[in-house]
Amino acid sequence: DIQMTQSPSSLSASVGDRVTITCRAGQTISTYLNWYQQKPGKAPRLLIYAASILQSGVPSRFSGSGSGTDFTLTISSLQPEDFASYYCQQSYGTPYTFGQGTKLEIK
Amino acid sequence: EVRLVESGGGLVQPGGSLTLSCISSGFTFSSYEMNWVRQAPGKGLEWVSYISSSGTNIDYADSVKGRFMISRDNAKNSLFLQMNNLRAEDTAVYFCARDKSYFDGDGYQYYFDFWGQGTLVTVSS
Repeated sequence: DIQMTQSPSSLSASVGDRVTITCRAGQTISTYLNWYQQKPGKAPRLLIYAASILQSGVPSRFSGSGSGTDFTLTISSLQPEDFASYYCQQSYGTPYTFGQGTKLEIK
Repeated sequence: EVRLVESGGGLVQPGGSLTLSCISSGFTFSSYEMNWVRQAPGKGLEWVSYISSSGTNIDYADSVKGRFMISRDNAKNSLFLQMNNLRAEDTAVYFCARDKSYFDGDGYQYYFDFWGQGTLVTVSS
């Protein structure tokens, strides 16, 4: 199985801050990497697919980059609705695996 | 509007069985691959199972292989997960998720573009 490791596990930030979350794959996965946002009690929401492609309807303050084993999700200017948990997921092959999550909290 | 609505969750004793359903609307269900993903209380996301659009190709996480069975009824726009020999560690919210693909010139990228709201399965005596 391909292990996905996110850092940090939690993060405190303020509205307007620029935030970066990192995801590392246990083996090279090209750009087969997706990012999801999840709020408490809700289903995950797709933000980014193929490492850098913004899903339709997702604000442009979200961006993704990386290939191979190292990937990043960046939020350029945090908004109140962005405080949530974020997960990376590899789609290189089954079993599809997720990172352990990053909880983004208000400072 | 794409909608996925899960049902069938509940409290079941260890060793028991349960069948989850996911009813879809707003898209051509028979054209899409589908998945089940679960989330234990306070934990992260875990992929459980995949089924191709026709139902001929199926895959499972090792943690459920031999105990869970995924199926679909394209005529009824429905996805199912039959869960047998349930264990305490199967306690989770179970989500169905639509699998979308995108050809990037080298290969197909896959991602879960729509999710249901989830149904809670609790395995406890």
